[in-house]
Amino acid sequence: KAGVTQTPRYLIKTRGQQVTLSCSPISGHRSVSWYQQTPGQGLQFLFEYFSETQRNKGNFPGRFSGRQFSNSRSEMNVSTLELGDSALYLCASSRKTGISGNTIYFGEGSWLTVV
Amino acid sequence: GENVEQHPSTLSVQEGDSAVIKCTYSDSASNYFPWYKQELGKGPQLIIDIRSNVGEKKDQRIAVTLNKTAKHFSLHITETQPEDSAVYFCAAEGLGGGFKTIFGAGTRLFVKA
Repeated sequence: KAGVTQTPRYLIKTRGQQVTLSCSPISGHRSVSWYQQTPGQGLQFLFEYFSETQRNKGNFPGRFSGRQFSNSRSEMNVSTLELGDSALYLCASSRKTGISGNTIYFGEGSWLTVV
Repeated sequence: GENVEQHPSTLSVQEGDSAVIKCTYSDSASNYFPWYKQELGKGPQLIIDIRSNVGEKKDQRIAVTLNKTAKHFSLHITETQPEDSAVYFCAAEGLGGGFKTIFGAGTRLFVKA
């Protein structure tokens, strides 16, 4: 069974540009969450999508947005990039069956460098 | 809001010694507690989890204990090896927000050979 797949794995962007990151969840998983991780830091929650609807949102500016498609694949977009946006962006998927005990599975992440 | 506190932030042990990482959670309705290991340059990987109906779970050299009354849970790694060096995250799944998972801040474990 394929894991969570994120593309691209590495990218370099210039300040002021925008970037779109893609995530394919594990088959059958309807929930996709995104996290930002800067070097040496923890997992900063960006947002969660479930059945194409944003269900939870972290404390990030409006430059960070996302969406989920009918096949559960998700994209996140960062507009007007700043140097501080350089980070590892992790996507995670979960089945979310409606009962407790939903394991989250992470992808390998997309490394974004803003210069 | 819900919160998970994790200690210590950094832990250094000698190869062969045990390592213990502790977490506390605020949402008394939490029933599921996974632990993740993140190696350098990779995404976090689930290593063990525990549900609220058990107090302890073991898998080879790693074990997790849960005290629901005190809202504490801990990861124990015995006979540590250099390849155990990584960042470990605890997490608690609440009932709100569609079973939202809250992560601790992480513990960087160094195992010295």
